[in-house]
Amino acid sequence: AQTVTQSQPEMSVQEAETVTLSCTYDTSENNYYLFWYKQPPSRQMILVIRQEAYKQQNATENRFSVNFQKAAKSFSLKISDSQLGDTAMYFCAFYTQGGSEKLVFGKGTKLTVNP
Amino acid sequence: DARVTQTPRHKVTEMGQEVTMRCQPILGHNTVFWYRQTMMQGLELLAYFRNRAPLDDSGMPKDRFSAEMPDATLATLKIQPSEPRDSAVYFCASATITWRTFFGQGTRLTVV
Repeated sequence: AQTVTQSQPEMSVQEAETVTLSCTYDTSENNYYLFWYKQPPSRQMILVIRQEAYKQQNATENRFSVNFQKAAKSFSLKISDSQLGDTAMYFCAFYTQGGSEKLVFGKGTKLTVNP
Repeated sequence: DARVTQTPRHKVTEMGQEVTMRCQPILGHNTVFWYRQTMMQGLELLAYFRNRAPLDDSGMPKDRFSAEMPDATLATLKIQPSEPRDSAVYFCASATITWRTFFGQGTRLTVV
C-alpha cells in the first residue's frame, strides 16, 4: 500500500523568506505522480505543483519548487519569497495507476506566514 | 472558470437524520471522487465513479453511506442514518485523468 508522510504538523515563516515543507512516501511502483495541494481557510483544495516520477527535472511554478529525490522517496516543497496569502494547510499527495485510481494524501502541514 | 460545485456548503443535522450532499462535476470530466476530511484521519477516499459507474467504494461504510451518479452532471452522497462520527468535510472532485483532479469547496457536515 502507498503511504505519504508529512513529518511537520506546523511551520511558520516570516514574510519574504523561504520555507521548505517535507514529504516522504512509500511505494513499490516505478511510475507515479506526486502533488502538493494548498488548502486555505476557505477549504478549497488548490493544486500547487505536480511532479511526474519519470522526470528527473524538478518541477517549478513561480515561487514554488520541489526537490524530488526518487531514490530516497522524498518530495519537498520550497516556497520562496513567502507571502501572507501562502498561509494554509499544505498536503502532499501521491497517485499511481498501479493501484486504485485515487490520490493518497499525507496528514498535512499547517504553514503560517508572519508579517 | 470551470469548477466543481458542491451543495450545501454547510449542513447541521441531528443524529439519525438523512443527509444528502450533491456535486456537479466539471463538464466533460468522466471520473468523480468523494473524499472525506477529518482531523484524525486526514483526507480519505470514500468512493469514485468513472463514466457514472461505481469503481471503488471500499472506503465507505456500506451500512449507512451510499453514492450514486444519476446522470453525468450530478453525483450524490447520502448518509442514512447520520451519526456524530460522520461530522467532517466532504469533498467532491472530478477529473478526466486522475493526475489532473479538481476539487469542490466541500460540504462541512455537523451531526449533533
